Amino acid sequence: EAGVAQSPRYKIIEKRQSVAFWCNPISGHATLYWYQQILGQGPKLLIQFQNNGVVDDSQLPKDRFSAERLKGVDSTLKIQPAKLEDSAVYLCASSLDSGSIGKEEFFGPGTRLTVL
Amino acid sequence: LAKTTQPISMDSYEGQEVNITCSHNNIATNDYITWYQQFPSQGPRFIIQGYKTKVTNEVASLFIPADRKSSTLSLPRVSLSDTAVYYCLVGGHSGNTPLVFGKGTRLSVIA
Repeated sequence: EAGVAQSPRYKIIEKRQSVAFWCNPISGHATLYWYQQILGQGPKLLIQFQNNGVVDDSQLPKDRFSAERLKGVDSTLKIQPAKLEDSAVYLCASSLDSGSIGKEEFFGPGTRLTVL
Repeated sequence: LAKTTQPISMDSYEGQEVNITCSHNNIATNDYITWYQQFPSQGPRFIIQGYKTKVTNEVASLFIPADRKSSTLSLPRVSLSDTAVYYCLVGGHSGNTPLVFGKGTRLSVIA
C-alpha cells in the first residue's frame, strides 16, 4: 500500500516569497491533515479536512497560510508571504476515521522549509 | 483536549527493556491513548493505541491502570534503531477530534 506522498521534500526561500506544498493522501482516506513541526517540538495541527470540507483550521495563520483540498483527494498548503518563523517541517497526514475503534493517522515524510 | 506529560529524554543500553510513562490526569471517558514514534527527517509513525488495561502488538506493549490517568509504553529489548522521539497522545479518536502532540520523549539507545 502506497503511503502519504509529499513534495517537495526540501524548499529554501527568502522571506516575503511565496511557497506551496503538495500532499497526496493514502487512497480512500477521507481525512487529511497539515501539521507544522518546528525543530525540537511536536507537530502542531494547522488544518484538518474531511473530504473537501474544512473541519478545523483554528491554528492556521489565515493572513498568510491557505490550504485547499479540491475533489477531496490531493491537497496544497500555501504560504504567502513567508516569514522567518515559518521555517519548519510541514507534515501531511491522512486517516480513515474508523469511528469508535480509534483512528490511526498516517504521516508523509514532510517538507522541510527554510526561510532566509 | 487532555494534556499529557512525559519525560523529555531517556537513555538506555541495547537489549534493555524501556518503559516510558505518560501522565494524563484529565483524560475524558471517551479518550483513547495513542503512542507515535518519530525518527529524524521522517513523519511520526503509529506504534500502539489502547483504552484500558493492557495492549500488546509486535512492537510494544501499552499498560493503562484502572484510573487511566497515566499510561506506560514498554519497548522490549531495544536496539540502536529504536532511537527516536516517542509521543503520547490522548484524545477522542472518533469523528473529527484531532490529535494534539506534546514535545515527546527523546529516547537514545546506546551500544
